[in-house]
Amino acid sequence: GAVVSQHPSRVICKSGTSVKIECRSLDFQATTMFWYRQFPKQSLMLMATSNEGSKATYEQGVEKDKFLINHASLTLSTLTVTSAHPEDSSFYICSANSAGTGAKNIQYFGAGTRLSVL
Amino acid sequence: AQSVSQHNHHVILSEAASLELGCNYSYGGTVNLFWYVQYPGQHLQLLLKYFSGDPLVKGIKGFEAEFIKSKFSFNLRKPSVQWSDTAEYFCAVNAGNNRKLIWGLGTSLAVNP
Repeated sequence: GAVVSQHPSRVICKSGTSVKIECRSLDFQATTMFWYRQFPKQSLMLMATSNEGSKATYEQGVEKDKFLINHASLTLSTLTVTSAHPEDSSFYICSANSAGTGAKNIQYFGAGTRLSVL
Repeated sequence: AQSVSQHNHHVILSEAASLELGCNYSYGGTVNLFWYVQYPGQHLQLLLKYFSGDPLVKGIKGFEAEFIKSKFSFNLRKPSVQWSDTAEYFCAVNAGNNRKLIWGLGTSLAVNP
């Protein structure tokens, strides 16, 4: 149980185009999903917290107009990198909480998306 | 501000050696503690967690961790590592009812056969 599917696993795009990444919880409902960015040999950097039915909460320094997050259902959140530039090239990872309320929740992770902007 | 510190950035061991990876956090209240593992080319997987109760937590693949509240620590241990334990290990904490995880920088473990 608790499987999170992330798609696509790899995307190469031209500078100036937009890329959408999907994150789905396959066998549970996720009221909260998280989007991370991971640089090579470094830890995860939380970009934003995505709450179903409401606006995402972005971390300091993350441009909300650049990284659009939509959490339209309890099983799907999307991250759109708008007008991508080479510096946006990175590994993007999503995770989903398994429980509805309280602190006893666990984040389950997708396999990540490798974005390369040419 | 809350933070998580992993003391060992790179660890190299031979098979059958014992492993201990340090993790300390800074937060004075109730915390939930996690160790995640990322095998080469794979996604992050939960290794073990502590919410409450017995401070000695057993996880998958023979790993365990001990929560020592007085030391703000949650060190990961395994008595005898295998080559297949080669991976990146991350300690993470969330505090109170905050769902956000605060992450350590990770420890890269290489086990030589």
